[in-house]
Amino acid sequence: AIQMTQSPSSLSASVGDRVTITCRASQGIRNDLGWYQQKPGKAPKLLIHAASSLQSGVPSRFSGSGSGTDFTLTISSLQPEDSATYYCLQDYSYPQTFGQGTKVEIK
Amino acid sequence: QVQLVESGGGVVQPGRSLRLSCAASGFIFSSYAMHWVRQAPGNGLEWVALISYDGSNKYYADSVQGRFTISRDNSKSILYLQLNSLRPEDTAVYFCARQIRDYWGQGTLVTVSS
Repeated sequence: AIQMTQSPSSLSASVGDRVTITCRASQGIRNDLGWYQQKPGKAPKLLIHAASSLQSGVPSRFSGSGSGTDFTLTISSLQPEDSATYYCLQDYSYPQTFGQGTKVEIK
Repeated sequence: QVQLVESGGGVVQPGRSLRLSCAASGFIFSSYAMHWVRQAPGNGLEWVALISYDGSNKYYADSVQGRFTISRDNSKSILYLQLNSLRPEDTAVYFCARQIRDYWGQGTLVTVSS
C-alpha cells in the first residue's frame, strides 16, 4: 500500500497567517490526491481534488499544488473557522490511503 | 439536495457480525461509485472499501479484506457494508461517501466490545 506522510502533525497560527501543510507519497501518484477538512464530530469536507482543483463552494484562500510524490495544501490567510484537522488522501491505487492528519489551531 | 444517511451501528461482541446501510437520495445513485471510510475514536481517517457504480468492482483496505463485504442495491439507492468477524479494533464511526467524496453521511458508530 502507498504510504502518505503528512506534516506537520499539528500547528498553531494567527488569523491572517499563511499556512502550509505537506503530504508525501511513498511512490508516485500523479495528481491523484485530495485534501479534506474535518471539524470535531463532523464528517470530512472535500476541499481540493486532483491535487489542485478547488471543490465548488470552498473559499479561494485554500489551494493545492504538487504532483508525483510531493503535495501541498496552502491556506493563504487563516481564518478562525479554519480551525480543524486536515487530511490528504491518495486515490491513485487501492487501497486508498489517508495521511495521518494535521491539526490546525488558531493562536 | 444530496443526502447520505447511515444506519445499523451499535454495540456488538467480538467475532459477531453487523450490517451497515447508507441510504442515498438527491442524485442518481446508480451512476456513482461509493465508499466507506471509518474513524476510530480519537484517531485519523481510514479508507475501508469502494464499490463501482454497478457493483461489478469492489476494493478493500488490507485491514478488512476477507471480513467485510461492500454491496449496493441500485433499485433502492442503498449502500451496504457487511462486517463479519468483528474485532475491538474495528470500533469506529463509519461514514459512507459519494464517488469523489464530495458528499458524506453523518456516520454511524460501531463499538466492538465484550
